[in-house]
Amino acid sequence: SQTIHQWPATLVQPVGSPLSLECTVEGTSNPNLYWYRQAAGRGLQLLFYSVGIGQISSEVPQNLSASRPQDRQFILSSKKLLLSDSGFYLCAWSVSVRGGRPDTQYFGPGTRLTVL
Amino acid sequence: QKEVEQNSGPLSVPEGAIASLNCTYSDRGSQSFFWYRQYSGKSPELIMFIYSNGDKEDGRFTAQLNKASQYVSLLIRDSQPSDSATYLCAVEGYKLSFGAGTTVTVRA
Repeated sequence: SQTIHQWPATLVQPVGSPLSLECTVEGTSNPNLYWYRQAAGRGLQLLFYSVGIGQISSEVPQNLSASRPQDRQFILSSKKLLLSDSGFYLCAWSVSVRGGRPDTQYFGPGTRLTVL
Repeated sequence: QKEVEQNSGPLSVPEGAIASLNCTYSDRGSQSFFWYRQYSGKSPELIMFIYSNGDKEDGRFTAQLNKASQYVSLLIRDSQPSDSATYLCAVEGYKLSFGAGTTVTVRA
């Protein structure tokens, strides 16, 4: 069965510090990978998605970046955090299925980031 | 207009009652629709998906889709205190768009 891991679970960082969040998926090959951010009391905002190694699409221009150095590894980074970067960061995976079935996304446990 | 809209709630129902959650979407070309449950402080977990007009039942959950009205709903029958959570509606177009969620509280 497939498993998705994220770490760290919680993180408190000062403004202007760098960020690196990691996500790994087990039990599947060539997954689609996603980074979302959920601000307090708000919906999920898609930040980046990737359909393969080195292939990153950005949905929202910001001071964040993403990389996919390995098939099942997805990294979210920032060189200098802003207060507005605080939130719940979620990694998700899916596998494209043919035959009319929806491309279902499954979420990792998330990283709660507080920027002070 | 938001892409996906849900009543924010909170929706309070007594234990054993039916909870009814509604979701409307703006992209008429959307094909797939998902309901996720999110407990406080946790990540969303998939309840069910639907992509054909009509009803789809899974245990105590029933999803209803009406593409002509651009409306999808989730019914929770025999609501239990463990159903207390925020329910997210997600609509697939070129990406998955999420509503802000409806918070449900089941009173014992």
